[in-house]
Amino acid sequence: EDKVVQSPLSLVVHEGDTVTLNCSYEVTNFRSLLWYKQEKKAPTFLFMLTSSGIEKKSGRLSSILDKKELSSILNITATQTGDSAIYLCASMNRDDKIIFGKGTRLHILP
Amino acid sequence: DGGITQSPKYLFRKEGQNVTLSCEQNLNHDAMYWYRQDPGQGLRLIYYSQIVNDFQKGDIAEGYSVSREKKESFPLTVTSAQKNPTAFYLCATGWSLFHEQYFGPGTRLTVT
Repeated sequence: EDKVVQSPLSLVVHEGDTVTLNCSYEVTNFRSLLWYKQEKKAPTFLFMLTSSGIEKKSGRLSSILDKKELSSILNITATQTGDSAIYLCASMNRDDKIIFGKGTRLHILP
Repeated sequence: DGGITQSPKYLFRKEGQNVTLSCEQNLNHDAMYWYRQDPGQGLRLIYYSQIVNDFQKGDIAEGYSVSREKKESFPLTVTSAQKNPTAFYLCATGWSLFHEQYFGPGTRLTVT
């Protein structure tokens, strides 16, 4: 059965810290991995990763895919209270099937 | 202004009634999706559509039905056959099934 597992399930850090969120997948005919930030209920798209080893960056956020390890990480440096959210990871396979992980709930303390 | 509209924001129904959730987009996206989210769980795919007049079942399609008669609209009907309909429902769109998805604001359905 295809699955996406995120860890940790929740994380509390202080403002300014760096955090690393993990996502592992077991998916038939894997194509891409996606990261979303969910706050106020509706997720917003962050990254789509298709190639292994190529880092994608957007400001203080970066993500990389490791197809050998079947995993991805999302890094957030110099965290701010506005980074508090649920971060969702999802896999997309070549049959157009999308599977989401349960998310990591990140809370940044001021 | 451009975007994805889901209405209403909150919906209450009695058990045994069918209810239709609206999703409208003016982004000219071909692909549209319906997800449900339950407390402590990730998003689960109900149905998706790649193009007008075509749609496919997702992981939890039982008890739901959809139509895609227009590019802009992808309504979801929650039928009385759905055993646990109370949930938060999210509609999403994308340029194609291989592009990132953009989510609407969601509809919270409560069935009593």
